[in-house]
Amino acid sequence: ETGVTQSPTHLIKTRGQQVTLRCSSQSGHNTVSWYQQALGQGPQFIFQYYREEENGRGNFPPRFSGLQFPNYSSELNVNALELDDSALYLCASSPRTSGIYEQYFGPGTRLTVT
Amino acid sequence: GESVGLHLPTLSVQEGDNSIINCAYSNSASDYFIWYKQESGKGPQFIIDIRSNMDKRQGQRVTVLLNKTVKHLSLQIAATQPGDSAVYFCAENFGAGGTSYGKLTFGQGTILTVHP
Repeated sequence: ETGVTQSPTHLIKTRGQQVTLRCSSQSGHNTVSWYQQALGQGPQFIFQYYREEENGRGNFPPRFSGLQFPNYSSELNVNALELDDSALYLCASSPRTSGIYEQYFGPGTRLTVT
Repeated sequence: GESVGLHLPTLSVQEGDNSIINCAYSNSASDYFIWYKQESGKGPQFIIDIRSNMDKRQGQRVTVLLNKTVKHLSLQIAATQPGDSAVYFCAENFGAGGTSYGKLTFGQGTILTVHP
């Protein structure tokens, strides 16, 4: 186990709704990254948060947004859900200060949009 | 969105055999590479990493080889066990400096099945 936790485990939403996913990073890790993993594919980078600010973004529209809190936990918000948003959403934390790129992934949140 | 069915490359081996999983990466500027193992219902688990100034790195039962000339990465697993059955992903981090820190680009993945 990596110490990264995510909630909820599973979620079912209707097209057009909004959703918030949560992540608690491993103790001492100040950087959190979010990834979307569609079935049968590798994870795709959504964005990264460092010291409560967005630090880079992948090819995702603005309706994907996030927050990082002073305790380094993070939220991923998705507005106006679309059927294609159905996926496993992964959170990964890393200890940035050491320059190590290694990321520790949580178990993910399975989002189904109907 | 989610695709119907899986289209990942597959590798089936017998317990005790050596396994080699291959990956072609996309960016010649990538400076760091990682192999992850993902079991059903779990997040990716770190296996081994290698920096671009190296061509080989060994861990416990695993070896990663990097060929920058042809942008190819491989993972070798010695004495493969049933517990090694999973999907294996390579990931690359490209660009120097803090702005690219930790932004991994994942490959397609390979399904490894180990038969007892």
